[in-house]
Amino acid sequence: GENVEQHPSTLSVQEGDSAVIKCTYSDSASNYFPWYKQELGKGPQLIIDIRSNVGEKKDQRIAVTLNKTAKHFSLHITETQPEDSAVYFCAASTGGAQKLVFGQGTRLTINP
Amino acid sequence: GAVVSQHPSRVICKSGTSVKIECRSLDFQATTMFWYRQFPKKSLMLMATSNEGSKATYEQGVEKDKFLINHASLTLSTLTVTSAHPEDSSFYICSASDVDRGYFGPGTRLTVT
Repeated sequence: GENVEQHPSTLSVQEGDSAVIKCTYSDSASNYFPWYKQELGKGPQLIIDIRSNVGEKKDQRIAVTLNKTAKHFSLHITETQPEDSAVYFCAASTGGAQKLVFGQGTRLTINP
Repeated sequence: GAVVSQHPSRVICKSGTSVKIECRSLDFQATTMFWYRQFPKKSLMLMATSNEGSKATYEQGVEKDKFLINHASLTLSTLTVTSAHPEDSSFYICSASDVDRGYFGPGTRLTVT
């Protein structure tokens, strides 16, 4: 089955700097890669997703890149703000409505 | 994005009792709903996949008789934790999917005393 590895487990950056979180997956059949932000005591919130027919997608300060050959994808947050502090999870599936396999999560802290 | 609600947000129950958690997709019809469990500072663990009108598919190691799932309509799925014990205390999160992507509910914190 699919296995998703996520790094780093914790990340601390200065406000205004960029943050990058990386994930690798094992199943070449996976074609949908969402990223979720989870704040303490809340459910995960979808922040961006990418499908295997594109290599990059951007939404304001957030971007995701996908390398199908190497089976890895990354989340990039630019101009970080204190409200970006949260736990971020990557995931992979064989379709948007199919079950997701999650990475282990990254606790991002933005230092003012 | 789409809205998924869960009720209750928090519940405390005594050992041996049963607890029902509802998951609703408020503005779309969910072809599939998923139930996850999350331990503190850990990732989400899929418990089961639920499709409307059919039996849920449980992940390995998840007791189907203990975690009863009913997917009554395209907008409602329920998880019932039967004969709850302290080790069932956890954060339970549902996800509802349309044809394109999945959206998570806010979660339910279950504490069994």
